[in-house]
Amino acid sequence: DQQVKQNSPSLSVQEGRISILNCDYTNSMFDYFLWYKKYPAEGPTFLISISSIKDKNEDGRFTVFLNKSAKHLSLHIVPSQPGDSAVYFCAARPAGTYKYIFGTGTRLKVLA
Amino acid sequence: SQTIHQWPATLVQPVGSPLSLECTVEGTSNPNLYWYRQAAGRGLQLLFYSVGIGQISSEVPQNLSASRPQDRQFILSSKKLLLSDSGFYLCAYPPGDTGELFFGEGSRLTVL
Repeated sequence: DQQVKQNSPSLSVQEGRISILNCDYTNSMFDYFLWYKKYPAEGPTFLISISSIKDKNEDGRFTVFLNKSAKHLSLHIVPSQPGDSAVYFCAARPAGTYKYIFGTGTRLKVLA
Repeated sequence: SQTIHQWPATLVQPVGSPLSLECTVEGTSNPNLYWYRQAAGRGLQLLFYSVGIGQISSEVPQNLSASRPQDRQFILSSKKLLLSDSGFYLCAYPPGDTGELFFGEGSRLTVL
């Protein structure tokens, strides 16, 4: 049972435009959400997070939006750069636990 | 400063052979520790997590086991590897109170 889903396995965006990566979840007990970026043969690196008490968090070019009623999370990257090309994972943590559940990832390709 | 190390970085093993992957964390005490696996074309699957010495929670019943013999050491093992155990194994811990996980460099296991 995949509790965190990234339904788009890949996404291509032109340099300078906005990249929007989506994530859906099924467990209403999740209270903390994260986005990670991963290059091949490396560990994922943390990008940005959001608590369930917020609906938006911004850090430079990265903004995460949370729609709790729709159980939907999105990451916006503006402007997109070729160096942003990587696999992006969303993750969620159930309240009161130490578990982090990851999605299947979306491969972003930013075209120069 | 806090760091996390994994070894070996790459491992090629025959089916039926044993496995031992090691993860150590520096600069912190009594961290929560995690083992994840990224199989080909799949997301990050939580395998085990530990909240203290000797305390292991298994998330997916399978051919693997984990142990935590010391506060900052987490070991992933198998007595007899299967082809399906191939993948990229990642150790992680939360370095602070902000909630995100920090990942090691990963160990690539190929079972032939």
